[in-house]
Amino acid sequence: QSALTQPASVSGSPGQSITISCTGTSTDVGGYDYVSWYQQHPGTAPKVIIYDVSSRPSGVSNRFSGSKSGNTASLTISGLQAEDEADYFCGSYTTISTAWVFGGGTKVTVL
Amino acid sequence: QITLKESGPTVVKPTQTLTLTCTFSGFSLSTGGVGVGWIRQPPGKALEWLALIYWDDIERYGPSLKNRLTISKDTSKNQVILTLTNMGPVDTATYFCVRRRHYGDFYFDYWGQGTLVTVSS
Repeated sequence: QSALTQPASVSGSPGQSITISCTGTSTDVGGYDYVSWYQQHPGTAPKVIIYDVSSRPSGVSNRFSGSKSGNTASLTISGLQAEDEADYFCGSYTTISTAWVFGGGTKVTVL
Repeated sequence: QITLKESGPTVVKPTQTLTLTCTFSGFSLSTGGVGVGWIRQPPGKALEWLALIYWDDIERYGPSLKNRLTISKDTSKNQVILTLTNMGPVDTATYFCVRRRHYGDFYFDYWGQGTLVTVSS
C-alpha cells in the first residue's frame, strides 16, 4: 500500500495557527474515520495526539485539533508555541490487507 | 507507567536475519484485546507498519514483508520478538515497538523510542 502524503515542512510564528495535511485514498483516509496523528520530538518516542480523526487523548492540549474532508485529513495547531517544534506524522487504518499506512512526516518549525 | 523498549543489533550484514526484542512494562499482553507490534521508518521515508501480535496469539503482518517476518511473544517476560529474514540495504531503518490498546482502537497509543538498524557488509 502507498504511504500517505504530507508536506515535508511547515513553519509559523508563536501564537499563529498552522495546518498540516495528510492525503490518502478512498481505501484509507477517505474510507474510515481512523486517522491518527503523532508528535515526535528528537530522540523521544512518538506520542499520539489525535485519533479517530478528531479525538484527543487525555492530557493532550486542546490547541491540537483534527479534521477530515474526503481523502485528506488535517492537523491544526493553534496558538503555536516553541514546544510544538517537532515532527508530526499521520496514520490511517486501511482495509487493504487490514493494515496501517502512514505519512512521511512533517517537520514543524516555530520561527 | 507504560513503556516499551526495543533492543537488538545496530548493524546486520546482507542476507542475515534480524532479531529484535521489545520489552514492555505497565501492561500485560494477556489482557484481552491488547496487541504489541512493530513499525519501521527508513531514513527520510514514511513509516511502515510491519506486524502485530495480540493477547490471544493472533498474528497480523503487513503485506509487503509478510513472507520474511515472524512475530512472537513471551508473555511471562513481557517481550515481543520480531524476526526479519534475508536483510538487505532497503531494510535499513529505525524500528519502533508499539502498543495497540484494544482491537477496537485503530491507532497506537504507546511507542518505544526506536532502534536504528543498519544493513551493511
